Amino acid sequence: QVQLVESGGGLVKPGGSLRLSCVTSGFTFTDHYVTWIRQAPGKGLEWVSYISGTSEYTDYADSVKGRFTISRDNAKNSMYLQMTRLRAEDTAVYYCATGSPGFSGSYYEYWGQGTLVTVSS
Amino acid sequence: VMTQSPATLSVSPGERATLSCRASQSIRSNLAWYQQKPGQAPRLLIYGTSTRATGVPGRFSGSGSGTEFTLTISSLQSEDFAVYYCQQCDYRPPWTFGQGTKVEIK
Repeated sequence: QVQLVESGGGLVKPGGSLRLSCVTSGFTFTDHYVTWIRQAPGKGLEWVSYISGTSEYTDYADSVKGRFTISRDNAKNSMYLQMTRLRAEDTAVYYCATGSPGFSGSYYEYWGQGTLVTVSS
Repeated sequence: VMTQSPATLSVSPGERATLSCRASQSIRSNLAWYQQKPGQAPRLLIYGTSTRATGVPGRFSGSGSGTEFTLTISSLQSEDFAVYYCQQCDYRPPWTFGQGTKVEIK
């Protein structure tokens, strides 16, 4: 079955960096856009970034543009989020998510369990 | 901007629940609904405004177009008490979510 497993979260100081990973299985990874979505504690969902199957297309929320970089390694069925210049408002559970190839990154049927990033001094 | 109402909906089991989502500009039919329970990742319920995702019970239905959308749960079951989010995906990213509606037991 489809599985997405995030890792790499933790406590980091403001201005610091962190790299999240999402390892996937159970589907043809190269056919799918994969996406990062985050949720601050007790708050709603925020779309962060996505990347197409061939890495041709990427996009970012305005709140992270210029600070976060998404990438993928299709040989490892994995996606990454390099986060730099972290701020307190980046504190959240970060989910990786994907959907059917025909959704082209628009809708998310499959989610990981999330990894918590805490930005605090 | 996606605006959901009400913020909290108190409903008795077996009753009908109607949740609203309004877009600040037309998003055609490019809307999804998700259900999230405490400590869990969201679950896709509806996409393309009205198409149920695989395995979603028939009591969930979506409607609307343009700027006004509705999720209806025809007869609430105990497992339906959760937070519901709408999400738009019109034209190009960044996609945006509504702030959520919590459906609680009356």
